[in-house]
Amino acid sequence: AQSVAQPEDQVNVAEGNPLTVKCTYSVSGNPYLFWYVQYPNRGLQFLLKYITGDNLVKGSYGFEAEFNKSQTSFHLKKPSALVSDSALYFCAVRDGGSGNTPLVFGKGTRLSVIA
Amino acid sequence: NAGVTQTPKFQVLKTGQSMTLQCAQDMNHNSMYWYRQDPGMGLRLIYYSASEGTTDKGEVPNGYNVSRLNKREFSLRLESAAPSQTSVYFCATNLAGRYNEQFFGPGTRLTVL
Repeated sequence: AQSVAQPEDQVNVAEGNPLTVKCTYSVSGNPYLFWYVQYPNRGLQFLLKYITGDNLVKGSYGFEAEFNKSQTSFHLKKPSALVSDSALYFCAVRDGGSGNTPLVFGKGTRLSVIA
Repeated sequence: NAGVTQTPKFQVLKTGQSMTLQCAQDMNHNSMYWYRQDPGMGLRLIYYSASEGTTDKGEVPNGYNVSRLNKREFSLRLESAAPSQTSVYFCATNLAGRYNEQFFGPGTRLTVL
């Protein structure tokens, strides 16, 4: 069975500093990995995904994520945080060997960027 | 294009009442999903429909039923609401295929008293 862990419930970072939101996964086949962001009282918005190829994936709003197969991780990063990045972030995985199955989501990490 | 729409946005029910949450998409996607979001629990899958005419249980299906009415619409029914079903419900869709991300509706906030 596939699973995702986001080890931090909350991440605090000062505006202008780099940010990292951690994600580790477990699948039996090849992982397809996704990051979503949720602003207050809104649905989830897709940020980026890793399917294959370059381990560094770039997405919306200046976010990027690094796939590390040996550590089974897919951490979300941004070089310089903005106050407007404050939101709830979800990592999700789909097992590449399982066809078109639903995404499995982590519990989410709340990012707070302080001015 | 409206994308994924959900009705209603808010609902308050009494224990034992029934209701149907509606989801519609104009993205011509094959697959549709219902999730619930609870604090500290992330998103948990209730039911999904990989394609028109099929539905499958997810992680937390008890107390719910679904209907894939056509390619565009996927409804979630609570036959006898319980306080444990107080949650925010999200509908999502994607094109068939393991590479494809899901697109989410704005959610329905349900309170069961």
